[in-house]
Amino acid sequence: AQSVTQLDSQVPVFEEAPVELRCNYSSSVSVYLFWYVQYPNQGLQLLLKYLSGSTLVKGINGFEAEFNKSQTSFHLRKPSVHISDTAEYFCAVSDHGDSSYKLIFGSGTRLLVRP
Amino acid sequence: GAVVSQHPSRVICKSGTSVKIECRSLDFQATTMFWYRQFPKQSLMLMATSNEGSKATYEQGVEKDKFLINHASLTLSTLTVTSAHPEDSSFYICSAPSGGKQETQYFGPGTRLLVL
Repeated sequence: AQSVTQLDSQVPVFEEAPVELRCNYSSSVSVYLFWYVQYPNQGLQLLLKYLSGSTLVKGINGFEAEFNKSQTSFHLRKPSVHISDTAEYFCAVSDHGDSSYKLIFGSGTRLLVRP
Repeated sequence: GAVVSQHPSRVICKSGTSVKIECRSLDFQATTMFWYRQFPKQSLMLMATSNEGSKATYEQGVEKDKFLINHASLTLSTLTVTSAHPEDSSFYICSAPSGGKQETQYFGPGTRLLVL
C-alpha cells in the first residue's frame, strides 16, 4: 500500500531565507507525485507535479521539487521565501496504474515565515 | 488550470437536519469526483469517489447512508450529510481529475460545516 510521510509538522523560517519541505513516499509501483498548498479556510492549490521525465520540477510561486527514485523522496524547495508563503503544504502520491487516480496525502507541513 | 467550485462555502445547521453540498467543475467535464473531509490541523481524508452514472465508492469506515453522494451530471456532484450531528462538523473538500491523463486533481475551495 502507498503512504506518504512528511516528517516536519511545522517549519519556521525567516523571510528571504531558503526552505526545504521534506516528503518521502512508499510504493511498490510507479507513482505520480504532487505538492499542494492550502491557505487558511481554503481548498488546495496545485504547486507542482511530477509525472515523468525530468526529475527537477518547477512550479508556481518560485517553488521547485526534485524526484529521487532511489531515496523515494520528493522534497519541495524555495530559494527565498516570502511572508505570503505562510501556509500548509501537502505532499501527495497516486498510483500510475490506478485508473481512479486516488490521491494519498501526507500529514502536511506548516510553513511559518517570520519577518 | 481547471476550476472547481463548491457551494455553500459555509453552512450552519441544527442537529438532526440534512445538509447538501455541491461540487461543480466549471470548465471541464468530470466523470469522477472525490470528496474529502479535513479536521482542524489535519490532512485530508478521502471519504468517497463519486462516479457519474453509477454508485459512489466509499472508503472503509465511511457510512454511505449518512453521506449520500449523487453525481447528477458530468459537471456536478453533491454530498448530502443526513441527520447531521455535531461530530459531523468539519471542512469538506471536493476534487476532480483533469489533465492529459486525468492524473491531476483540482480542488474546490471547501465547505465549512458547523452542526449545532
